[in-house]
Amino acid sequence: DTGVSQNPRHKITKRGQNVTFRCDPISEHNRLYWYRQTLGQGPEFLTYFQNEAQLEKSRLLSDRFSAERPKGSFSTLEIQRTEQGDSAMYLCASSRTAYWGEVYEKLFFGSGTQLSVL
Amino acid sequence: GQQVMQIPQYQHVQEGEDFTTYCNSSTTLSNIQWYKQRPGGHPVFLIQLVKSGEVKKQKRLTFQFGEAKKNSSLHITATQTTDVGTYFCAGPSTDKLIFGTGTRLQVFP
Repeated sequence: DTGVSQNPRHKITKRGQNVTFRCDPISEHNRLYWYRQTLGQGPEFLTYFQNEAQLEKSRLLSDRFSAERPKGSFSTLEIQRTEQGDSAMYLCASSRTAYWGEVYEKLFFGSGTQLSVL
Repeated sequence: GQQVMQIPQYQHVQEGEDFTTYCNSSTTLSNIQWYKQRPGGHPVFLIQLVKSGEVKKQKRLTFQFGEAKKNSSLHITATQTTDVGTYFCAGPSTDKLIFGTGTRLQVFP
C-alpha cells in the first residue's frame, strides 16, 4: 500500500492559464474522488469515478473543470482559464468501493495540490 | 442539498483539558465517519459509526452517533499536544461523502 499520490504539490499560475493535476490512487481501489478545500473549510466534493466512469459531478462545478480517469487507473483534473477564486487545495481520495453492507468505505486522501492563481 | 455543520469552529484548550466537537446533519445519515487533519496535512480516517446511539472509543477519544442518526460527537479526554488538528465529520450522500465544516483544535502545553 503505497498510498494516494498527487502531483504537483504546489502550482502557481497566472489568471487565465490552464492547469492540470494528477492523482495516482491506491492500486486496487475502484473509486476515485476529487475534493477542493479552502482555508478553514471542510473538503468540498467535486467529482468521482467508479473505475473509468465519471459518475457524478458537483452542480457547483464550473464547465472550466474537467476530470478524466483513463483505464480506471490514475486521474487528471484540468482547470481551464483559471480564476483567482480557483485558488485552493485540490485533494484526491480513493477507496475500494462505496458500500460494504451498511458500512461506507473509508477514504484515503493524497497530500493534495495547492493551487495559487495570481 | 445535504449540509453537515460542526460546532465550535475553533477551540483552544490547555493540555489536559477535555474537548468536544458536535456534528449536525440536515438529513438522516445511514452512517457517519470522522477524520483528522493535522496542520499542513491531509484528512485521515479515524472511525465510522453505523448504529443509532452507537458509542465507540479509541483510547482517549469517544465517538457517539445520535439516536435519530442526524448528529454525532467526538470527545477527547485529557487532551495532548498531539491532538492538535482539525476534526471533520462526514456523511454519505448518494455515492459520496459530504464533509462537515470542521472544528480546529489548538492545545497549549
